[in-house]
Amino acid sequence: EDQVTQSPEALRLQEGESSSLNCSYTVSGLRGLFWYRQDPGKGPEFLFTLYSAGEEKEKERLKATLTKKESFLHITAPKPEDSATYLCAVQAGENAGNMLTFGGGTRLMVKP
Amino acid sequence: GAGVSQSPSNKVTEKGKDVELRCDPISGHTALYWYRQSLGQGLEFLIYFQGNSAPDKSGLPSDRFSAERTGGSVSTLTIQRTQQEDSAVYLCASSLVVGGISPLHFGNGTRLTVT
Repeated sequence: EDQVTQSPEALRLQEGESSSLNCSYTVSGLRGLFWYRQDPGKGPEFLFTLYSAGEEKEKERLKATLTKKESFLHITAPKPEDSATYLCAVQAGENAGNMLTFGGGTRLMVKP
Repeated sequence: GAGVSQSPSNKVTEKGKDVELRCDPISGHTALYWYRQSLGQGLEFLIYFQGNSAPDKSGLPSDRFSAERTGGSVSTLTIQRTQQEDSAVYLCASSLVVGGISPLHFGNGTRLTVT
């Protein structure tokens, strides 16, 4: 069974204090790893897809990296507007139909 | 174009009543997914559609849950004889390709409260 574990569950940062969120996964035949951002009362918003170990993607203050066992979402000099829950998800297997298995998320709070 | 649209945004119902939740996917997206997000829980996969057919119904929690999709577009998730444990946010997503690797695009969900 595919498993995705995110840590920490919650993270408080001061504005400008860089940090990283972790996503560990156990899957059979990883096809893609996805990062989403979710604001309160909203659906998850797609950020990145990573396909293979060693790959990196960047968007503004966010950079996602992937190894064979985990992914990191690095946040550089965060701002209060980066506060949200960040979700990691994997797609695996041959007949997955694009179904994603999600981790429990990391709730990020950035204080001014 | 428009994103995934879900209605209603909020639904309060009495235990034992039936409810219907609607999802209008992004135009042209062939795949459609239903997930459930309970308070403090991760996203739980319910069902997905490829066109109008549902190859995988294994995630539906019980036989009180059913879903259909018509015309390769709008989908309806029906919960019969609702129970308090059905209270959650029901999220719908669509994607362009099934079989390839394509991100899911989510709507803002329907918050269901069963009293």
